[in-house]
Amino acid sequence: GDSVTQMEGPVTLSEEAFLTINCTYTATGYPSLFWYVQYPGEGLQLLLKATKADDKGSNKGFEATYRKETTSFHLEKGSVQVSDSAVYFCALSSYSSASKIIFGSGTRLSIRP
Amino acid sequence: DTAVSQTPKYLVTQMGNDKSIKCEQNLGHDTMYWYKQDSKKFLKIMFSYNNKELIINETVPNRFSPKSPDKAHLNLHINSLELGDSAVYFCASSQPGTSGTGEQFFGPGTRLTVL
Repeated sequence: GDSVTQMEGPVTLSEEAFLTINCTYTATGYPSLFWYVQYPGEGLQLLLKATKADDKGSNKGFEATYRKETTSFHLEKGSVQVSDSAVYFCALSSYSSASKIIFGSGTRLSIRP
Repeated sequence: DTAVSQTPKYLVTQMGNDKSIKCEQNLGHDTMYWYKQDSKKFLKIMFSYNNKELIINETVPNRFSPKSPDKAHLNLHINSLELGDSAVYFCASSQPGTSGTGEQFFGPGTRLTVL
């Protein structure tokens, strides 16, 4: 079945550091790929998405490129801020997942001032 | 203006009690979901309804019973609460598109604590 694997956290970085959170997926067909972010005490919100191979999703300085050849959708940001501290979820949806979004296990990110 | 709302935000109750959590979305979406998030932030889907019809039921104990009076509401009733039910419960909605499911919009969560 479809699945998402993302790097385990927690990830702790200093402000202005470069961020990469790895995400790989297994799916039949051509899934849509997402990154969701959950700030402390809040629900998940969509950060960015990509719906086909080589698409790049971007938002709030974060980027991720849909790489079909490596089945990856790594999240990157050039210079993180304290306000980026949150839990980040990689996710996919496809016809074979039957109206579900398959979420990864989440990666907690903490940014030190 | 809230897209997906849940009540209550916090729920503290004794073991054995029955409680309900309500969810409403004003996005006009056809599909709604309930998720359970444990203390390690792992998200597990529980149920999904499409236009008031149950389409996903992920091996959830039958103490949990969802009810969808209309496509804008999906409530969760829990009987005989157990300690292990303590978690944050999230409601979400989406509008499936022709190329697969669309992104989901989440409510703020209900933190349930069973004592």
